Amino acid sequence: SAVISQKPSRDICQRGTSLTIQCQVDSQVTMMFWYRQQPGQSLTLIATANQGSEATYESGFVIDKFPISRPNLTFSTLTVSNMSPEDSSIYLCSAHGRASQETQYFGPGTRLLVL
Amino acid sequence: GENVEQHPSTLSVQEGDSAVIKCTYSDSASNYFPWYKQELGKRPQLIIDIRSNVGEKKDQRIAVTLNKTAKHFSLHITETQPEDSAVYFCAADNAGNMLTFGGGTRLMVKP
Repeated sequence: SAVISQKPSRDICQRGTSLTIQCQVDSQVTMMFWYRQQPGQSLTLIATANQGSEATYESGFVIDKFPISRPNLTFSTLTVSNMSPEDSSIYLCSAHGRASQETQYFGPGTRLLVL
Repeated sequence: GENVEQHPSTLSVQEGDSAVIKCTYSDSASNYFPWYKQELGKRPQLIIDIRSNVGEKKDQRIAVTLNKTAKHFSLHITETQPEDSAVYFCAADNAGNMLTFGGGTRLMVKP
């Protein structure tokens, strides 16, 4: 399995500000993904982070609100821009394992509270 | 796109009993079906997965069955223990190796 870390683990932010979340994988991976998990809910895919090209966003998520970087095969960032209380959630990155591009492993998540 | 339905949303069992969680999916092209366990405040952990060329897979007390014709798959946990208490998510893959998740099942195992 892939070992995935995220920073920060949690943050409390003021509305109107932006937060950048970092995701680091211990090996080179082709596919990295960003999810949002609202309290008591399931995981919703925000976007696929592509190395060398723009991220691919799912319906309901846009680049201006959630810009993503993928500078290399082990690292990605997600920025939550111009935050509002509705953005309070857990943000998780994931990556596929070494042996399979189907299996996804998750980072520990970033718990965000917007006041 | 893919749609995954999961039932029940909550499940309470007595320690030692079995637990069954069921999922249905919509995209007949889906070929990969993982199950994740998420304890409170923790990341989702992959516990078992199954691919479409297999009808059943077992790992100790956990088994998953897949019926591709009916487009449903199930998680079976036998001899449940209090540490099995968690939220369980099923998922199905779609184009681009993306996963669509079910709504989750909160399993409570009573000692």
